[in-house]
Amino acid sequence: AQKVTQAQTEISVVEKEDVTLDCVYETRDTTYYLFWYKQPPSGELVFLIRRNSFDEQNEISGRYSWNFQKSTSSFNFTITASQVVDSAVYFCALSPPEAGTALIFGKGTTLSVSS
Amino acid sequence: EPEVTQTPSHQVTQMGQEVILRCVPISNHLYFYWYRQILGQKVEFLVSFYNNEISEKSEIFDDQFSVERPDGSNFTLKIRSTKLEDSAMYFCASSEQGISNQPQHFGDGTRLSIL
Repeated sequence: AQKVTQAQTEISVVEKEDVTLDCVYETRDTTYYLFWYKQPPSGELVFLIRRNSFDEQNEISGRYSWNFQKSTSSFNFTITASQVVDSAVYFCALSPPEAGTALIFGKGTTLSVSS
Repeated sequence: EPEVTQTPSHQVTQMGQEVILRCVPISNHLYFYWYRQILGQKVEFLVSFYNNEISEKSEIFDDQFSVERPDGSNFTLKIRSTKLEDSAMYFCASSEQGISNQPQHFGDGTRLSIL
């Protein structure tokens, strides 16, 4: 069975702090995709990143970075120098490799950044 | 930037009534999806649709639900005889054709309230 666990329910930080959101997944597939989505207070789901299971290189995009470690089945997300606008619920998701298959979401981590 | 659009943004319906949620996927996308998110909970997959037929569905997607692509642009989710527990945010998503699972881009959601 496929499963995504985001153990941190809520995190509160002060602006400019770095914060890491954890994601641990379970799958029997040898090939799979991992995703992160952001859900701001307005409610929409915003795609942030997709990572192929064969690509273990870390990725950086501005203040965002992702650490994929296949050995520990983790795909953690770090926000550097957090800002109030980063306040949102962040979802990690997993899918099989085939086109058009379902995303399996974790329960999400609510990040609150105060000024 | 192209986006998925959903209407209405909020639908209030009496229990037992039928409701149709509408979505216009991104124009060159060929895979379409419906997900739901009960308030405060994780995003759950309902159904995926490709080439005018359902390609995958979850246990949630029972006989009460149906999907349709009535024309070249719209993708609808029909819920027959709504129940109180159908109250949720319903998200439509679409993704490109590809040999692997492409990122799914979500609409802003329709908040369905069953009274």
